[in-house]
Amino acid sequence: DTGVSQDPRHKITKRGQNVTFRCDPISEHNRLYWYRQTLGQGPEFLTYFQNEAQLEKSRLLSDRFSAERPKGSFSTLEIQRTEQGDSAMYLCASSLARDAQRVLTNEQFFGPGTRLTVL
Amino acid sequence: EDKVVQSPLSLVVHEGDTVTLNCSYEVTNFRSLLWYKQEKKAPTFLFMLTSSGIEKKSGRLSSILDKKELFSILNITATQTGDSAIYLCAVEANSGGSNYKLTFGKGTLLTVNP
Repeated sequence: DTGVSQDPRHKITKRGQNVTFRCDPISEHNRLYWYRQTLGQGPEFLTYFQNEAQLEKSRLLSDRFSAERPKGSFSTLEIQRTEQGDSAMYLCASSLARDAQRVLTNEQFFGPGTRLTVL
Repeated sequence: EDKVVQSPLSLVVHEGDTVTLNCSYEVTNFRSLLWYKQEKKAPTFLFMLTSSGIEKKSGRLSSILDKKELFSILNITATQTGDSAIYLCAVEANSGGSNYKLTFGKGTLLTVNP
């Protein structure tokens, strides 16, 4: 399977615990995005990387959230001191930007998501 | 703040009906509008629209963009039960430099009954 993969697919945790999710993008894609989706809502942008550089972070991303993409391939999203309001589907997507100035397409391919439940 | 509004939020039809889903937007530095279909898992890409008035078609699905009136429609003809899903509209905008991000609407939940 050469699509975007995410691990784990489901995570149940107790309030106050830390959790970490992993995303493996399509191999030749240089851009990687994290979104959060709650019931009845469309995905909300959290952050994105071009290669290993984190280029933008949403105001939704509190200081309990941190994301990394250390080698420009897979990415991790960590949530510290989880709260019940963090319960959501966390989606990762990747895309190919051919160069910094002329992005010909930004079709984003989504992974299956990690569903987080905070008790 | 960029905004994408979809209507209706939910729709129930019978197999064979034709449906039209709407998406209006207010964004700064618009680049493209995308439609996704989301069943139980992640969204899957349907169309990307960048130019006004040019219809994109894939089988029974088609979509068109109006950049003057800031909206797009997604049409599905001869609906089938397999079309039941959430249809998401997203607008890609330049947020500075070469940074682009997608803003999604809440989606339209389509249910096609046999």
